[in-house]
Amino acid sequence: AQKVTQAQTEISVVEKEDVTLDCVYETRDTTYYLFWYKQPPSGELVFLIRRNSFDEQNEISGRYSWNFQKSTSSFNFTITASQVVDSAVYFCALSGETGTASKLTFGTGTRLQVTL
Amino acid sequence: DAGVIQSPRHEVTEMGQEVTLRCKPISGHDYLFWYRQTMMRGLELLIYFNNNVPIDDSGMPEDRFSAKMPNASFSTLKIQPSEPRDSAVYFCASSRTGTGVEKLFFGSGTQLSVL
Repeated sequence: AQKVTQAQTEISVVEKEDVTLDCVYETRDTTYYLFWYKQPPSGELVFLIRRNSFDEQNEISGRYSWNFQKSTSSFNFTITASQVVDSAVYFCALSGETGTASKLTFGTGTRLQVTL
Repeated sequence: DAGVIQSPRHEVTEMGQEVTLRCKPISGHDYLFWYRQTMMRGLELLIYFNNNVPIDDSGMPEDRFSAKMPNASFSTLKIQPSEPRDSAVYFCASSRTGTGVEKLFFGSGTQLSVL
């Protein structure tokens, strides 16, 4: 069975601070995909990034970066120089090779509050 | 291109009433998903369709829930009769394919409150 754990329920930072959101996953699949989605106060979930299990290269996109480590089954998300607009709930998710997108398993989410 | 469109954004109803949630997926997407989000259970998949055909409804909580997709551009999720424990945000999502690599495009959700 697949499982995604986001141990941080809520994080509060001051603007311009760096913040890392943790994601730990469990799967028996050898091929799998990891995702991060953002849910801003407006409510919709927005896709941020996708990573397959064979690509452990870290990725950077502007102020966002992702650290994928198979050895620790983690896919952490860092926001550098956080801004108020980053305030949202962030979900890590996992899908497996034997499943389809329908088998996307979401973590419980981390609520990030960025204040001035 | 327009995203996934859900209606209504908010629905307040009384226990026992029928509730119908609507979704228009992104054109060209062959898969449509209905999710429910609650504080207690997080995001749960209720049902998904492939080319308008229901593939897996194992997440539908009870017979009070039903979903249809009469054509490629429209789906409904119906609750009859509704109960207070059905209060949640219901999301519709679509994707081009159903493979594990595919990202989902979500609608803005319907906030349902059953009094």
